[in-house]
Amino acid sequence: NAGVMQNPRHLVRRRGQEARLRCSPMKGHSHVYWYRQLPEEGLKFMVYLQKENIIDESGMPKERFSAEFPKEGPSILRIQQVVRGDSAAYFCASSRQRSMNTEAFFGQGTRLTVV
Amino acid sequence: GESVGLHLPTLSVQEGDNSIINCAYSNSASDYFIWYKQESGKGPQFIIDIRSNMDKRQGQRVTVLLNKTVKHLSLQIAATQPGDSAVYFCAENMRTALIFGKGTTLSVSS
Repeated sequence: NAGVMQNPRHLVRRRGQEARLRCSPMKGHSHVYWYRQLPEEGLKFMVYLQKENIIDESGMPKERFSAEFPKEGPSILRIQQVVRGDSAAYFCASSRQRSMNTEAFFGQGTRLTVV
Repeated sequence: GESVGLHLPTLSVQEGDNSIINCAYSNSASDYFIWYKQESGKGPQFIIDIRSNMDKRQGQRVTVLLNKTVKHLSLQIAATQPGDSAVYFCAENMRTALIFGKGTTLSVSS
């Protein structure tokens, strides 16, 4: 049973470009969570999605960031017009139920570097 | 601001020693906490959890203690091994999201 798959593992973008981060949840998991981790910091919640629905986006910046989890395919975190401050590790987690508990698993993350 | 934090950013121990990593939280209504281990270049890995109706929970070589009076929890690792070297985070479960502390880096020397 494959774990949460994130790609790419590393992404380099120039300022002003768009970054697309993908997350495929574990089989049977329909709940996806995105977190951002700055260097030397803990993870910060961004958004929680179920298939085709955004449930909680209280941690998402108001501009340039968006997320989706379509009926088919992976969840996408999209960052438009990236700036240097967007450089971070972005982690996705998935769960079978609506809760980050023992059954929630994290992917290996995408490390975004904005140059 | 953050509701969960850790007392020390780093902890160095000798192989075979017991390690204690501490965490303080501020939300007295929190009812569920999780400890995660994060190795370099990897995502957080679940270690152990505890609900607020418990004071102590034990796993394999790990024990979590919860003191609701002072809003403090700790992770104890018995007979620490080099493979335990990582960053450890406590997290407070807020139903749809986890609130993470900043982490403690555990270094184990042989």
